[in-house]
Amino acid sequence: DAGITQSPRHKVTETGTPVTLRCHQTENHRYMYWYRQDPGHGLRLIHYSYGVKDTDKGEVSDGYSVSRSKTEDFLLTLESATSSQTSVYFCAISGDRNEQYFGPGTRLTVT
Amino acid sequence: KQEVTQIPAALSVPEGENLVLNCSFTDSAIYNLQWFRQDPGKGLTSLLLIQSSQREQTSGRLNASLDKSSGRSTLYIAASQPGDSATYLCASDSGGSNYKLTFGKGTLLTVNP
Repeated sequence: DAGITQSPRHKVTETGTPVTLRCHQTENHRYMYWYRQDPGHGLRLIHYSYGVKDTDKGEVSDGYSVSRSKTEDFLLTLESATSSQTSVYFCAISGDRNEQYFGPGTRLTVT
Repeated sequence: KQEVTQIPAALSVPEGENLVLNCSFTDSAIYNLQWFRQDPGKGLTSLLLIQSSQREQTSGRLNASLDKSSGRSTLYIAASQPGDSATYLCASDSGGSNYKLTFGKGTLLTVNP
C-alpha cells in the first residue's frame, strides 16, 4: 500500500468554524490531490498540487484553500465550514506513471 | 469537459460467474484510464492502470481493456467470488492534463455465495 495517511479520520464541527485536514505521504510523489465524495455526485476534485508551493483549483474549489510547504504534506482548509461541506474527504498522490493512490479518508460532519 | 459513465450502476451475480463492467468517456484524448475498487467506508484501491499506448492490462482474475477511439473501457472479472463484492470505479484524464482524473459514479457489485 502507498504510504498515505490522513488526519483526523473523523471530525464533527460547527457551522462557521475553520477546519484543517492533513494529508501526509512517505512516497516522495510530486502530485497530491484532495477530493470529496458525496452520494449522487461521486468523487470530485477540490484542489491539487504539482509541487511544493504549487497548487491549482479543481472542479469544486469554492470555500476551500490548500497549502503545501513540504513535499510530504498537503493541507486542506475550510475557512468557515458550512453544512454543504459535510462529506468524506480523500487525499491522493501520484508519481511518474500518474497512477493515483488514495488515503483512507476523513469523514467530516458540519452541524 | 470529460464525462465518465459507468453501466450498470449495480450488478448482482452468483459466485463463479464471469462478468464485465463497462466504462465510457466523452473525450478520447486521454493518457491514462484507471480502475479502482472501493469497499464500504474505505478508501479507493487502485486495481489497474491502462496507459493510452496499451490496449489492456491484467492482474490475476482481472483484465481491463481500453478502446480510445470508441471511448470505452471494460473490466472483466473471471470466476467471481463473494470477496469481490465492492464498488468499482473507473477514472480517466483528459484535455492534455495527464494527472487530473474524472471519475465515474461506480458500479456496485454483489457476488452471492
